[in-house]
Amino acid sequence: EIVLTQSPGTLSLSPGERATLSCRASESVGSNSLAWYQQKPGQAPRLLIFGASSRATGIPDRFSGSGSGTDFILTISRLEPEDFAVYYCQQYGSLPETFGQGTNLEIK
Amino acid sequence: EVQLVQSGPEVKKPGESLRISCKGSGYSFTNYWISWVRQMPGKGLERMGRIEPSDSYTHYSPSFQGHVTISVDRSISTAYLQWSSLKASDTAMYYCARWRAYCTSTTCHYDPFDIWGQGTTVTVSS
Repeated sequence: EIVLTQSPGTLSLSPGERATLSCRASESVGSNSLAWYQQKPGQAPRLLIFGASSRATGIPDRFSGSGSGTDFILTISRLEPEDFAVYYCQQYGSLPETFGQGTNLEIK
Repeated sequence: EVQLVQSGPEVKKPGESLRISCKGSGYSFTNYWISWVRQMPGKGLERMGRIEPSDSYTHYSPSFQGHVTISVDRSISTAYLQWSSLKASDTAMYYCARWRAYCTSTTCHYDPFDIWGQGTTVTVSS
């Protein structure tokens, strides 16, 4: 199965700053089938990005995804207070689908 | 509204059995797979397995094979996750999520988990 490694494990930033989260796959992700999810405390994960770069319905345009093959990036252009959460990447291009271990984006 | 609604929190003793549920509404239930995901306290997301409601095909992650059973009742658009003998280490939040596969004769493409249930907390303690 494809192993996803996210970095950093924790990212400490201030509102208004730019966040860059990384997800690296152990082998190429088929059809760039890479998703990002946001999880806030006490809530279920929410789909943000699919197909590496497409925003899900209702996701603000400050969230963007990029990358291909084995290296993917989630960028949050200007952090809002509600963006501080845990972010997971997931590859669903080949079964079994797998998750990264998560990046905790915390307020500095 | 498309949604998955899960059953309520559970408190059980080690060795007891349990079945939790995930009811889909607002969409054609058999057109989407359902996966179950475990999140232990303070930890990340772990894929447990999936069921394809159209034919009840199941696939389990090796870590969960033989310890849980995933099933479905198409008549009420509900998927289940069950344990025959709980352990303290089963204490966690459990989520269901839907996704879809598109297959031709030679290949399949998949959608991500676009709708998640609200989660069911399971606490196992003596």
